[in-house]
Amino acid sequence: GNSVTQMEGPVTLSEEAFLTINCTYTATGYPSLFWYVQYPGEGLQLLLKATKADDKGSNKGFEATYRKETTSFHLEKGSVQVSDSAVYFCALSDPAASKLTFGTGTRLQVTL
Amino acid sequence: DVKVTQSSRYLVKRTGEKVFLECVQDMDHENMFWYRQDPGLGLRLIYFSYDVKMKEKGDIPEGYSVSREKKERFSLILESASTNQTSMYLCAARGRTEAFFGQGTRLTVV
Repeated sequence: GNSVTQMEGPVTLSEEAFLTINCTYTATGYPSLFWYVQYPGEGLQLLLKATKADDKGSNKGFEATYRKETTSFHLEKGSVQVSDSAVYFCALSDPAASKLTFGTGTRLQVTL
Repeated sequence: DVKVTQSSRYLVKRTGEKVFLECVQDMDHENMFWYRQDPGLGLRLIYFSYDVKMKEKGDIPEGYSVSREKKERFSLILESASTNQTSMYLCAARGRTEAFFGQGTRLTVV
């Protein structure tokens, strides 16, 4: 079956540091890949997505590239802010199904 | 944007009670989902529905049932609540690509 593996958290960074959150996946076919973010006390919201190999999703300074050869979709940001503190979820969607499979989430805390 | 509304943010129920969690979407998306979120386990799919009156089990359906009588509404039912069902419950609606989530219901079973 499909699965998503994320790096363990929490990740603690100083403001303006570089962020990488690793995500790898196992799936049949060519899934779509997503990063969702959950701010404290809220539901999940889509951060970015990529639907085919070598696509780069980007939003709010975050980027992730769909790498089929390494089955990865790592999230990066060049300079994090305190307001980026949240839980980040990597997810995939099998093209044959409508459901999303999520990773366990990575908590990011950014300090001044 | 699609708006997904869950009826309660916080809920406290007693063991053995029948519990209803309601979810309503304001767009015409076919697919709706119920997940539970637990620390260290991420989001786990309980049930999903791809059309009115249609439902499929997810990864952890035991102890739960669902109802979808209208396209915009998807209800999660705990037939007899137990303490191990204490969790955050998230509803989502999905069209072609991304899923939109409600704010979640934090359920405590005492």
